[in-house]
Amino acid sequence: EVQLVQSGAEVKKPGESLKIFCKGAGYSFSNYWIGWVRQMPGKGLEWMGSIYPGDSAISYSPSFQGQVTISADKSINAAFLQWSSLKASDTAVYYCARRGDAAMALDYWGHGTQVTVSS
Amino acid sequence: EVLLTQSPGTLSLSPGERATLSCRASRTISASYLSWYQQTPGQPPRLLIYGASTRAAGTPDRFSGSGSGTDFTLTITKLQPEDFAVYYCHQYGTSLTFGGGTKVQIK
Repeated sequence: EVQLVQSGAEVKKPGESLKIFCKGAGYSFSNYWIGWVRQMPGKGLEWMGSIYPGDSAISYSPSFQGQVTISADKSINAAFLQWSSLKASDTAVYYCARRGDAAMALDYWGHGTQVTVSS
Repeated sequence: EVLLTQSPGTLSLSPGERATLSCRASRTISASYLSWYQQTPGQPPRLLIYGASTRAAGTPDRFSGSGSGTDFTLTITKLQPEDFAVYYCHQYGTSLTFGGGTKVQIK
């Protein structure tokens, strides 16, 4: 069974750094793109970027380029999303999702990681 | 970047009615790269339709997708209680974007 397991909720202060993870299981992790999606409170889905764990090729949405860093470690079947200096406006749920074989649609999703940034 | 505009923002319908949701792209996109997702409160999105019209595994046949070029539609015939949710379209061509979502609520 394909699963994407995400790290737990985080509460941080503005200016702090953070790295959250998404661990894949039940499939060949290296061979599928993993994407990251932001959902701010009460708002819609925003595409942040994606990574191909096999060769760490990365594509960022222009809106998120320079704001976050996406990485992966295929040896532990994990993808990561990190911030060097959080802002209150980073408060959101962050989902990872797999781009599947079916026309590259997002066929499996993690449960989401709630990130709260507050002083 | 391709912008996706979904309409209406909110659709108020009764169980058993038909829902028609629209997704319009700012420029022509390949139908192969258009998908639809359903999200209920507190849950991650769920893939319903990919390639504009192909139902994903487990998607009931009351859901259907159609369209080409810049105009795409998700239709739900005979709404069931579990269908009241927010629906997003998503395109994954050169750039990747989501539409703003349509909320289907009980009238």
